[in-house]
Amino acid sequence: KAGVTQTPRYLIKTRGQQVTLSCSPISGHRSVSWYQQTPGQGLQFLFEYFSETQRNKGNFPGRFSGRQFSNSRSEMNVSTLELGDSALYLCASSPGTSGSGSNIQYFGAGTRLSVL
Amino acid sequence: KQEVTQIPAALSVPEGENLVLNCSFTDSAIYNLQWFRQDPGKGLTSLLLIQSSQREQTSGRLNASLDKSSGRSTLYIAASQPGDSATYLCAPGGAGTALIFGKGTTLSVSS
Repeated sequence: KAGVTQTPRYLIKTRGQQVTLSCSPISGHRSVSWYQQTPGQGLQFLFEYFSETQRNKGNFPGRFSGRQFSNSRSEMNVSTLELGDSALYLCASSPGTSGSGSNIQYFGAGTRLSVL
Repeated sequence: KQEVTQIPAALSVPEGENLVLNCSFTDSAIYNLQWFRQDPGKGLTSLLLIQSSQREQTSGRLNASLDKSSGRSTLYIAASQPGDSATYLCAPGGAGTALIFGKGTTLSVSS
């Protein structure tokens, strides 16, 4: 079974631009979550999508948005990039049964975004 | 709001040592707790998942325990190897699927 695939692996953008990251979950998984990892703040939850609906949201500004398609693939968009958005962005997929005691999340390799 | 603390932040040991990584969390209303491993510049690999009703979980040389009432979990690594060098992260899981992570323990095992 293929794992979680994130594309692209690396991105370089300049301040003010926007960027779109993609995540393909494990086949059959309906939940996709996005996380931002920086040296200072560590891993922080951005949002989760389940069956094309945002089910949970972290504490990030509205410049960070996402969507999920009918095949469960998800995209994350960051508009008006700032230097502080430079980070490793990770997505994780899971079957998506909320509250389940066996809801393991499987992570992709991440997209490293550098904002110049 | 859940807060997760991992101690120590960094650890260096010679090959063959047994070691314990600690994780504490402030909100004991969790459904499970996961331990992950992260190699430099890479994504996260799930090592162990302990459900809230369990006390411990084992996989090979790894053993994780959970004391939900006191908000603590430990990851025990037996007979450490250089290939175990990585950052180890714990993440208690609540009602939703959002994981709250600690800052991690960076382990270096020398041969």
